[in-house]
Amino acid sequence: DTAVSQTPKYLVTQMGNDKSIKCEQNLGHDTMYWYKQDSKKFLKIMFSYNNKELIINETVPNRFSPKSPDKAHLNLHINSLELGDSAVYFCASSQSRGPYEQYFGPGTRLTVT
Amino acid sequence: QQQVKQSPQSLIVQKGGISIINCAYENTAFDYFPWYQQFPGKGPALLIAIRPDVSEKKEGRFTISFNKSAKQFSLHIMDSQPGDSATYFCAADSGGSNYKLTFGKGTLLTVNP
Repeated sequence: DTAVSQTPKYLVTQMGNDKSIKCEQNLGHDTMYWYKQDSKKFLKIMFSYNNKELIINETVPNRFSPKSPDKAHLNLHINSLELGDSAVYFCASSQSRGPYEQYFGPGTRLTVT
Repeated sequence: QQQVKQSPQSLIVQKGGISIINCAYENTAFDYFPWYQQFPGKGPALLIAIRPDVSEKKEGRFTISFNKSAKQFSLHIMDSQPGDSATYFCAADSGGSNYKLTFGKGTLLTVNP
């Protein structure tokens, strides 16, 4: 059983399009995250939800909108995609907010052409 | 502002050698320091973590050394193996109500057979 899963694994789209990435965790965790990993492998947090409540919203363009329908799911919708949005997006979850192990999904490689 | 500085950017070690990766932080409020390991095409996974109340933590071939006064911590991989070849990230926890991990820029470790 995959602990944290993401779909799709690869996403190729044109500038200006809108796309969504979905994430699900079956670990019973309360907290979920979205990270962006750029071409230089730099890993930066974008958003965090705890029990469906947004608790971290980093300096991210408002074209990015996360949604957590329930504790096990966290989706990321991106409007008006730009070339600079090309990256690998990782979903992660942890037991709760705090110094707990974060379990990462396999990532979604987004390529904007 | 990069709050966690990691070096070196890349490291090549012979099989059986010792790999050492260093990190330095600025925020004295950090109180949790994990290391994550990432293989190509995979999400990061927790390797080992330390709190500042101890100066060293060892798990198998992996050891974290922590120097609170110098605001530095390092990962030592003893008897490095080709299977250890991966990207390693140090991180630090910001603490407080808006808990989040701040990652270093990563070190690409290559262990030659």
